Amino acid sequence: EDKVVQSPLSLVVHEGDTVTLNCSYEVTNFRSLLWYKQEKKAPTFLFMLTSSGIEKKSGRLSSILDKKELFSILNITATQTGDSAIYLCAVKRMDSNYQLIWGAGTKLIIKP
Amino acid sequence: NAGVTQTPKFQVLKTGQSMTLQCAQDMNHEYMSWYRQDPGMGLRLIHYSVGAGITDQGEVPNGYNVSRSTTEDFPLRLLSAAPSQTSVYFCASRGTSTDTQYFGPGTRLTVL
Repeated sequence: EDKVVQSPLSLVVHEGDTVTLNCSYEVTNFRSLLWYKQEKKAPTFLFMLTSSGIEKKSGRLSSILDKKELFSILNITATQTGDSAIYLCAVKRMDSNYQLIWGAGTKLIIKP
Repeated sequence: NAGVTQTPKFQVLKTGQSMTLQCAQDMNHEYMSWYRQDPGMGLRLIHYSVGAGITDQGEVPNGYNVSRSTTEDFPLRLLSAAPSQTSVYFCASRGTSTDTQYFGPGTRLTVL
């Protein structure tokens, strides 16, 4: 059975710290892995990683994909209170027209 | 563009009542879906559609119906509400050439 597991489930750090969030997957016919940030409302898209794009960076956020070990990490440097959110990871299969397989999320709290 | 819109934002129902959650998108996306999000369980797919007139079941379809008469609209109907359907519901859409989904703001539903 396909599954996506995120760790840790929750994390509390102080402003300025660096955090690393993990997403491991067991999915047949992997196509892409997506990271979303969810604050109070809907998830917003952060990154998509595929075989041809295994490292992405945007400002203080970066993500890599390890297709051999079947995991991805989301790194946030110099954290700010605005980074507090739930971070969701999802995997899309090559043979699935639509369905994404979602992890349960990591709840990140940044203390001032 | 308004993106993905959902109504209502909040709803309280009594057990056995029926209602329809509305979802619309103005991006001409073929793919639309409904998710429910419960604490610690991530996003679970209820139903999805790959185009007007085509719908299919997701992971947790029981107790819900959908229809897709136009590209823009994808309503979710609760036939006879149960307390187990208390959740936050998200509608999402995406185009055919990308894996990135765009989410609506969500509907918080409480069934008493």
